[in-house]
Amino acid sequence: KQEVTQIPAALSVPEGENLVLNCSFTDSAIYNLQWFRQDPGKGLTSLLLIQSSQREQTSGRLNASLDKSSGRSTLYIAASQPGDSATYLCAVISSDAGNNRKLIWGLGTSLAVNP
Amino acid sequence: EPEVTQTPSHQVTQMGQEVILRCVPISNHLYFYWYRQILGQKVEFLVSFYNNEISEKSEIFDDQFSVERPDGSNFTLKIRSTKLEDSAMYFCATTGYGYTFGSGTRLTVV
Repeated sequence: KQEVTQIPAALSVPEGENLVLNCSFTDSAIYNLQWFRQDPGKGLTSLLLIQSSQREQTSGRLNASLDKSSGRSTLYIAASQPGDSATYLCAVISSDAGNNRKLIWGLGTSLAVNP
Repeated sequence: EPEVTQTPSHQVTQMGQEVILRCVPISNHLYFYWYRQILGQKVEFLVSFYNNEISEKSEIFDDQFSVERPDGSNFTLKIRSTKLEDSAMYFCATTGYGYTFGSGTRLTVV
């Protein structure tokens, strides 16, 4: 059964730091992996999607990498800003999910960027 | 950019009452989903819906839950007799290239 773990659970950094959030999954047979952002009490905003055949994706100051064989993904945030403060969630779709493609989620990393 | 719209944003209901959560999916997406997130816990899959029928449901999705697409555009989740433990954020989602989620409905059962 696929399990997704994210570390650290919480992170507090000063503005301007580069930081790395980690996601690991127990079954390397994934269809894709997606990173989301969640503001307190709000919805889930997709940040980056990495297909199983890809190694990384970039969007602005965000870069996500995928090492399927070791069951790991990292989300790199460059030059962090207070507006980046949120919870970052990692979710995978197992390759045997068929057309349903349900997401299996981590618990998230709660990030606080201090001015 | 196309959006998934959910209403209401917040609903408070008495235990034992029925609630209906509504979603307007992205029109050209084919798969629709409901997920929920209990405070402090992981997001959990409830049900997926394709071609006007359930394609997969989780253990959570018992006989108290139902989904339908009553008019070809709206996609609803009904909870027949709410329990305290149904209190959670409920998210509707659709898939195109990746997932697009609605902003959620916070359900509070008192």
